[in-house]
Amino acid sequence: GDSVTQMEGPVTLSEEAFLTINCTYTATGYPSLFWYVQYPGEGLQLLLKATKADDKGSNKGFEATYRKETTSFHLEKGSVQVSDSAVYFCALTVGGSQGNLIFGKGTKLSVKP
Amino acid sequence: NAGVTQTPKFQVLKTGQSMTLQCAQDMNHEYMSWYRQDPGMGLRLIHYSVGAGITDQGEVPNGYNVSRSTTEDFPLRLLSAAPSQTSVYFCASSYSRSNQPQHFGDGTRLSIL
Repeated sequence: GDSVTQMEGPVTLSEEAFLTINCTYTATGYPSLFWYVQYPGEGLQLLLKATKADDKGSNKGFEATYRKETTSFHLEKGSVQVSDSAVYFCALTVGGSQGNLIFGKGTKLSVKP
Repeated sequence: NAGVTQTPKFQVLKTGQSMTLQCAQDMNHEYMSWYRQDPGMGLRLIHYSVGAGITDQGEVPNGYNVSRSTTEDFPLRLLSAAPSQTSVYFCASSYSRSNQPQHFGDGTRLSIL
């Protein structure tokens, strides 16, 4: 079945460090891919998305590129801030009769000043 | 614009008790869903609805019941609470199942003793 695998955390970085959170997927059909972020005590918010191969989603300095050949959607940011501390979820949805979101297990990021 | 509103935010139940988690959205979204979030498990889909009067099971539906009598409301019922249902519950909505992203509520933290 469809699934998402993301790197386990927690990930601890110093402010201004480079961030990569790996995400790979298995899907039948052609999925849309998402990164959601959950700040402490809150619900999930969409961070970015990509709907077809080679698309790059970007928001708030974060980027991820839909790589069909490697079935990956890695999240990157060039310079993290303390305010980026949160749990990040990679997710996919396959359209048509499916379409429900399938989430990875989440990666907790802590950024130290 | 309230978005997705969940009540209560916290609840403690005894084993065998029943209760209803409320979810309401004011965005005229057709698609609504319930997830549970457990440590190391990500978010797992419990039930979803593609419109008023239509509901279906997700990945982990056992022990939960839903109904969708209006577009705005999608309550989740625990029929006989069990300790295994201790979790954080999130309600989400979107215009349609295939039209993401989903908008999430702030969650209900439920403890079953």
